[in-house]
Amino acid sequence: AQSVTQPDIHITVSEGASLELRCNYSYGATPYLFWYVQSPGQGLQLLLKYFSGDTLVQGIKGFEAEFKRSQSSFNLRKPSVHWSDAAEYFCAVGGSSNTGKLIFGQGTTLQVKP
Amino acid sequence: SQTIHQWPATLVQPVGSPLSLECTVEGTSNPNLYWYRQAAGRGLQLLFYSVGIGQISSEVPQNLSASRPQDRQFILSSKKLLLSDSGFYLCASTLAGGFTDTQYFGPGTRLTVL
Repeated sequence: AQSVTQPDIHITVSEGASLELRCNYSYGATPYLFWYVQSPGQGLQLLLKYFSGDTLVQGIKGFEAEFKRSQSSFNLRKPSVHWSDAAEYFCAVGGSSNTGKLIFGQGTTLQVKP
Repeated sequence: SQTIHQWPATLVQPVGSPLSLECTVEGTSNPNLYWYRQAAGRGLQLLFYSVGIGQISSEVPQNLSASRPQDRQFILSSKKLLLSDSGFYLCASTLAGGFTDTQYFGPGTRLTVL
């Protein structure tokens, strides 16, 4: 079955510290992978996406993610977290049909300590 | 890029009342459209999607329905709301045949059923 797992429901990091949010997927075809961010009460904003090519992708707001096929992972990283990064982060996978449907993980809530 | 409009932004409705949420898209033609629900503290649940005018696919059985009367208009409805219908409703759009493309999200509608 197709699925996305974000093992960490809640993460707290200090401002300026590095961040890694984990994402594991199960998908029968070549996956297209996405990371979205959601601030409270807002819609989702795309941070970055991977379709093919270089397995390290750069996104907005200083985020990057690395696709590791052997580990079925697409972890999101940022070298230095800012207080404004506090939000909920969703990993998603799609790509097997022309419906554009995505499967989302349950999300990881990031709290940033001053 | 696309812009997604949703209204109303917030809605408080009594149990048993009807519902109509509207989503309109700018900046593209013949998009794929999606309705998601996000319950408190939960991930995104895909409710309906549409790849063209008048075409609706339902992902979960429930007392909600969707319609697409125009190319860039997507409506979520219910004849009688249940308490369990409370949540944050998000509309999203991708390009037609956009299985490689990004889903753009609207700002959402917060629905509270009392």
